[in-house]
Amino acid sequence: KNEVEQSPQNLTAQEGEFITINCSYSVGISALHWLQQHPGGGIVSLFMLSSGKKKHGRLIATINIQEKHSSLHITASHPRDSAVYICAAYNNNDMRFGAGTRLTVKP
Amino acid sequence: KAGVTQTPRYLIKTRGQQVTLSCSPISGHRSVSWYQQTPGQGLQFLFEYFSETQRNKGNFPGRFSGRQFSNSRSEMNVSTLELGDSALYLCASTVQGAEGNTIYFGEGSWLTVV
Repeated sequence: KNEVEQSPQNLTAQEGEFITINCSYSVGISALHWLQQHPGGGIVSLFMLSSGKKKHGRLIATINIQEKHSSLHITASHPRDSAVYICAAYNNNDMRFGAGTRLTVKP
Repeated sequence: KAGVTQTPRYLIKTRGQQVTLSCSPISGHRSVSWYQQTPGQGLQFLFEYFSETQRNKGNFPGRFSGRQFSNSRSEMNVSTLELGDSALYLCASTVQGAEGNTIYFGEGSWLTVV
C-alpha cells in the first residue's frame, strides 16, 4: 500500500461543476501539500496545510489530522483548471507523493 | 524576484554516461531539494540540502549524488546512466514561514537516456 493514496486517478468534469479530490496518508506529517502540474512539467504549490482549512479563490483545501485525510475542492471549475493535482506528505525534510489526479474540465 | 532556475531544460545522454543538472534557488532560499518524476513511479524524493549539508536522502542508488554550494546553488549528478533514469528531474527551493515551509519548484530538466 502506498504511503500517500489519492482518488480518483482521473476525473472529467463539465465547466462549472464542483470538484473534490481526496488524499489519504499513512505516514506522520508536519504538513500536507497540494500541488498542480500542467502539461510541460512545471509544478505549482497550491496549499500547505498542517491543520484545518485554507481557501484561495475557487480552491479550498481541508485536512483532518486524526483521520489522516485531506481534500482539495474546486468550485465553479473552468477548463484552465485542467491539470494533474498531486498531494504530498512532508515530514523531516522528506516528501512523499501521491500518484496524482488527472483533471479534465470540458467547456 | 526570479524563480527557481534549472539547467539544462532538455538533454539526451547515452547509457553509461554521466550527467550533471544544475539548480539555482530563489534568492535567499537556503533549502534545495531534488525529485525524480517518471510515468511509472510518479514523483519521488531524491535528496535535500540546507546550507551545503545534505539533510535527507531518498531511496535511490549511490549513482545519484548531489551537492550544494555556498551561494545555495545545487547540482545533482547521475553516473553510469541507465535507460530507467530517463525522467523529469525537478528541483525546489523552500523557505520557512510563520505557517510552515513554502515550496517553489523549477520547470525541471527532461533527461532522456538512449
